[in-house]
This record gives sequence, C-alpha cells and structure tokens, in this order.
Amino acid sequence: QVQLVESGGGVVQPGRSLRLSCAASGFTFQNYGMHWVRHAPGKGLEWVALIWYDGTNKYYADSVKGRFSISRDNSENKVYLQMNGLRAEDTAVYYCARDGGGTIPTSPHYWGQGTLVTVSS
Amino acid sequence: DIQMTQSPSSLSASVGDRVAITCRASQGISNYLAWFQQKPGQAPKRLIYTASSLQSGVPSRFSGSGSGTDFTLTISSLQPEDFATYYCQQYKSYPLTFGPGTKVDIK
Repeated sequence: QVQLVESGGGVVQPGRSLRLSCAASGFTFQNYGMHWVRHAPGKGLEWVALIWYDGTNKYYADSVKGRFSISRDNSENKVYLQMNGLRAEDTAVYYCARDGGGTIPTSPHYWGQGTLVTVSS
Repeated sequence: DIQMTQSPSSLSASVGDRVAITCRASQGISNYLAWFQQKPGQAPKRLIYTASSLQSGVPSRFSGSGSGTDFTLTISSLQPEDFATYYCQQYKSYPLTFGPGTKVDIK
C-alpha cells in the first residue's frame, strides 16, 4: 500500500533554514507528481508546492515562492522541501502527498502523517 | 490566483441529517475540483475528485456536484464518523488553492 513518511521537522529560529524529506513506498514513485501541503495551527489547509513526476516542472504558493524549493530523487523514492528564510507564519504541520493523477498532476490523493515545523526565537 | 470560498463556515447537525456544503471559485474551473475531509490530528483524506467522482473506498453517502464556479458536497445521511472539517480545492491552475473549510459538528 502507498506509504509516505515525512521527516526533518523541528523548532527553528526565524530567518534560518530547514529541509523536509518524504520517503515514499508502495507505488512506482517516478510515475507521480508529489505535493507539499501545510496546516497551520487554527487555520485551514494551504497548498505549498508541487513537483512533476520527472522533476521538470515545479510550482509554488505565492507565500513561499523564492524562499522554498521542492526537489525529488527518483532513484531514492524521496521528495524534499528546502525551506529558507523561515518566518513565524511558516509554523505548521507539513504534509507530503502523492498526486492522484498520472503524468499530468491533479490534486493530492495519498497523504503522509505530517511533520511539525515551528519557527520561533 | 483562483480564490475559493465555502459556505457555511460551520454547521451543527444530527446523525441522519442530510448536509450540503457549497464551494465557489472566483473564476471558472470546469470540473477541476476535489473535496477533502480532515479530522483533528489526522491527515486530510480525499473524498471526491473531478467534482463528482467518488474516491474508491469512500461511502456512497458522500456525493459531489457542480461545474464552472459553483460546487456542492452532500452527505445524504450524516454518520458519527463524518463529524470533521471539509475543504474544497481547485486544480485548474497554479497555485492550487483550498477553500477555508467547513466544520461539521454535532448538534
């Protein structure tokens, strides 16, 4: 079955960097787009980023563009989120999610359990 | 960017009630819409995609309808396990955007 396990969360000071990882199993990783979605305390879901199955296209939410970078390693079945210039408002549970479509992405389908990022001095 | 709105923001209902949640897009998105359910402390779960297609394994009491800018998620007979927050999401264009959510709790 599809399994997604996030890691790399923690407490970080404003302005610092953090890299999240997501290990995927149970499906042919190189065939699917991968998303990051976050859920800040007391707020709604916010889509963060998407990378296509082959890494050729990447898209970002306006709130993270220029600060966050998504990447993937299809040989290791992993997707990453490099977060630079972190702000208090980036505090959230970050979910890795496999897309529901094929080579053309649609919306997140399978989700990991999330990793908590807290930005605080 | 496409903005998504939902109504109501919250509702109280009883087991067995029929519940409808509406979602509106700021511009036409055809049927590129998904619905998610999220319970406290859990990851979201996709219920509906392409506006009306039921995700495998999701009970048939859930249904979706609509196209263009106006969409509805209907729960035909609310069950105890359905008390949760529901989000719509458009995937017509980037950035993908979620609605603000509708919290369904027990009356």
